[in-house]
Amino acid sequence: GENVEQHPSTLSVQEGDSAVIKCTYSDSASNYFPWYKQELGKGPQLIIDIRSNVGEKKDQRIAVTLNKTAKHFSLHITETQPEDSAVYFCAASINPRAGANNLFFGTGTRLTVIP
Amino acid sequence: DAGVIQSPRHEVTEMGQEVTLRCKPISGHDYLFWYRQTMMRGLELLIYFNNNVPIDDSGMPEDRFSAKMPNASFSTLKIQPSEPRDSAVYFCASSAGFITGQLATNEKLFFGSGTQLSVL
Repeated sequence: GENVEQHPSTLSVQEGDSAVIKCTYSDSASNYFPWYKQELGKGPQLIIDIRSNVGEKKDQRIAVTLNKTAKHFSLHITETQPEDSAVYFCAASINPRAGANNLFFGTGTRLTVIP
Repeated sequence: DAGVIQSPRHEVTEMGQEVTLRCKPISGHDYLFWYRQTMMRGLELLIYFNNNVPIDDSGMPEDRFSAKMPNASFSTLKIQPSEPRDSAVYFCASSAGFITGQLATNEKLFFGSGTQLSVL
């Protein structure tokens, strides 16, 4: 099955700086790559996603890039703010047959934004 | 919509007791997932349902775990008997499957707030 690796496991940045989290996946059939943000005491929440037919997607201060050849994708957060502090999970999805589940999660990155 | 609703938020029980976790998915979503989160293993998929039917329960750790979805708006995850190693946060998530060509896919999972289970 798919194997998603995520780095780093922890990341500390100064407020206003950028943060980058990287993930690799193993199955070239994967075609959907969401990112989830988990705040303390809450469930993961989808913040951005990208499909394999797109190389980059941006939503205000967050962006995701995808390199299908190298099988890696990254989350970029610019102008970080204290409220960006959370655990971030990447995931990869293999184009499935009907009804099949296909979402495989990375191990998470704990981001701390220092005021 | 209130989102995915899980209860209880916290559960403390003694080893050997039965534990029942509850979930109400978002109305209209036809996929429901149960995940377990621990520091050691991260997010693990336990089981998921499509239109109330269990599709894949290969992630259920042991026969002590069982899940049901009697209707589109309610699911339970039961552990009987519970053990200390079952201590974790259990999340329920739902999604709206859609058809792309001849393929159905479920994406954009919406998670509940989780149940923190502690088995003493």
